[in-house]
Amino acid sequence: AQSVTQLDSHVSVSEGTPVLLRCNYSSSYSPSLFWYVQHPNKGLQLLLKYTSAATLVKGINGFEAEFKKSETSFHLTKPSAHMSDAAEYFCVVSDVTGTASKLTFGTGTRLQVTL
Amino acid sequence: DTGVSQDPRHKITKRGQNVTFRCDPISEHNRLYWYRQTLGQGPEFLTYFQNEAQLEKSRLLSDRFSAERPKGSFSTLEIQRTEQGDSAMYLCASSLGGTSGSFDEQYFGPGTRLTVT
Repeated sequence: AQSVTQLDSHVSVSEGTPVLLRCNYSSSYSPSLFWYVQHPNKGLQLLLKYTSAATLVKGINGFEAEFKKSETSFHLTKPSAHMSDAAEYFCVVSDVTGTASKLTFGTGTRLQVTL
Repeated sequence: DTGVSQDPRHKITKRGQNVTFRCDPISEHNRLYWYRQTLGQGPEFLTYFQNEAQLEKSRLLSDRFSAERPKGSFSTLEIQRTEQGDSAMYLCASSLGGTSGSFDEQYFGPGTRLTVT
């Protein structure tokens, strides 16, 4: 079974400083990996996805993630945090079986951005 | 707004009562997913429809849970004889299914928060 582990349940950064949200995955084959963001009272939104193309993936709002097979990692980064980035972030692996894309979510990392 | 909508947004019920939630997917999407998210956890897959056919159910979906998508458009999730452990956010997502085995982006609704007292 595939799984993801988010190494930090809570990350706090100052506005304008870099963001690093860590994720490790476990998969018996080449996985499809994603980061979703969840703002309060809003639906989950896809930030970016890795599906075996380029290992450095660019997403929306300046976020990036790098797939590192040797480290089984897919960390999310952003050079400069903005107050609007404060939200819950989920690392996700897709189990593509049959015709379904069943998503398995990590436990989430709450990003706090302070002035 | 043409996104995924869910109704109601909040539901408070007493233990033992039945509840039903509705999900309206993006109109041209043929796949519909239900997830459950408990406090402090990520969403967990419950079930999935391709058009009106329910193709997969998680072991999390006990006999008290039933989902339907009668005309391949909106879907309902019913929980019978609710228990306090059913308290969670129930999320619906839809996607435009591609070829077999390929990833298709899921668009999530805002969720229905269920509180069982």
